Amino acid sequence: AQSVSQHNHHVILSEAASLELGCNYSYGGTVNLFWYVQYPGQHLQLLLKYFSGDPLVKGIKGFEAEFIKSKFSFNLRKPSVQWSDTAEYFCAVNANTGGFKTIFGAGTRLFVKA
Amino acid sequence: DAGVTQSPTHLIKTRGQHVTLRCSPISGHKSVSWYQQVLGQGPQFIFQYYEKEERGRGNFPDRFSARQFPNYSSELNVNALLLGDSALYLCASSLYISSYNEQFFGPGTRLTVL
Repeated sequence: AQSVSQHNHHVILSEAASLELGCNYSYGGTVNLFWYVQYPGQHLQLLLKYFSGDPLVKGIKGFEAEFIKSKFSFNLRKPSVQWSDTAEYFCAVNANTGGFKTIFGAGTRLFVKA
Repeated sequence: DAGVTQSPTHLIKTRGQHVTLRCSPISGHKSVSWYQQVLGQGPQFIFQYYEKEERGRGNFPDRFSARQFPNYSSELNVNALLLGDSALYLCASSLYISSYNEQFFGPGTRLTVL
């Protein structure tokens, strides 16, 4: 069965610090990978996605993620965080089997100190 | 444009009761998925519907059922409520049924079972 692991449940950073949130998945076949973000009081929204091609994908608000197939990882990064990045971040995987069962990780709560 | 809407926003029920949650997708979207999000965890996939047919089901008991109407809106029904059913229920819509499609999430219905 597919599963998604997010390494950190809570992260606290100061503004301008660099961010890397870990995500590993378990599935041997082709996968589609997503990072979703939920800002306080708002809906879950898509941050970025990887389907194929360049393993380094760029999303909104300066976020990027790198797909490393050999490590089954899809880590999220941002060079310099802002207070407005305070949110909960979810990694998700959908195996490319034609179905639509998206598996989410448990989430990482990021708090950025001003 | 209106996003995904869900009703009601909050709901309190007692054990053994039945509940119906409603979702209206973004105009033009034909696929609706339902997720359960328990506090401290990521969304767990319950169902996916496309063109009024169930196209995916997660590991939930038969007490959970859903349907999609001709206007693509959807209902999630839960019978014989248990305390453990207390959660945020999220609805997500997408244009088609595909693992490539971005999902757009609604604000959720907070269900409390006493």
